[in-house]
Amino acid sequence: NAGVIQTPRHKVTGKGQEATLWCEPISGHSAVFWYRQTIVQGLEFLTYFRNQAPIDDSGMPKERFSAQMPNQSHSTLKIQSTQPQDSAVYLCASSQDWGGRAETLYFGSGTRLTVL
Amino acid sequence: GEQVEQLPSILRVQEGSSASINCSYEDSASNYFPWYKQEPGENPKLIIDIRSNMERKQIQELIVLLDKKAKRFSLHITDTQPGDSAMYFCAASASGSNYQLIWGSGTKLIIKP
Repeated sequence: NAGVIQTPRHKVTGKGQEATLWCEPISGHSAVFWYRQTIVQGLEFLTYFRNQAPIDDSGMPKERFSAQMPNQSHSTLKIQSTQPQDSAVYLCASSQDWGGRAETLYFGSGTRLTVL
Repeated sequence: GEQVEQLPSILRVQEGSSASINCSYEDSASNYFPWYKQEPGENPKLIIDIRSNMERKQIQELIVLLDKKAKRFSLHITDTQPGDSAMYFCAASASGSNYQLIWGSGTKLIIKP
């Protein structure tokens, strides 16, 4: 079990460019989460998928952020027209979903996004 | 929105002594309280959790206490070792949600030799 795999580990973009972050959840986990981590804001929930369906994107900045899960083995977080304030570590996590209660989150190593 | 307050933000303790981190939450409907440890450059990892049907849980040197009446929970690390130096995050399940967690702001634990 390789755990949750995130690529790339580091990404540097220029202001206004697009960034796509990838996540491969643990096989068999039906819940996938995206979080953003900064020193100032801490861990911020972005979005959640269950069985590939988007369930809650209440944490996503509406205009430039989007997330998809086209199949059970990967999810993407896309940031259009990146801004310096988007610089953060983006963490993907997966968990088993017993359909009724919160379970252990297994985090990936994260993608450190730097917007110049 | 709902918040989880975590204190202290930095904690320095002597190796071999105990360390305690405290969290408080707002919503009495919260029923799941995990603790995650994050070492520098690493991802957060679950170290211990407690559900609302328990008041105390211990895994080796880790003890979690839950006081539902006061809406507080705490992590106690006994006989601290250098490897315990890390960031620690508490979280509480969000009201009306079986998946979303409200996170504390983190405690940087420093073990002094």
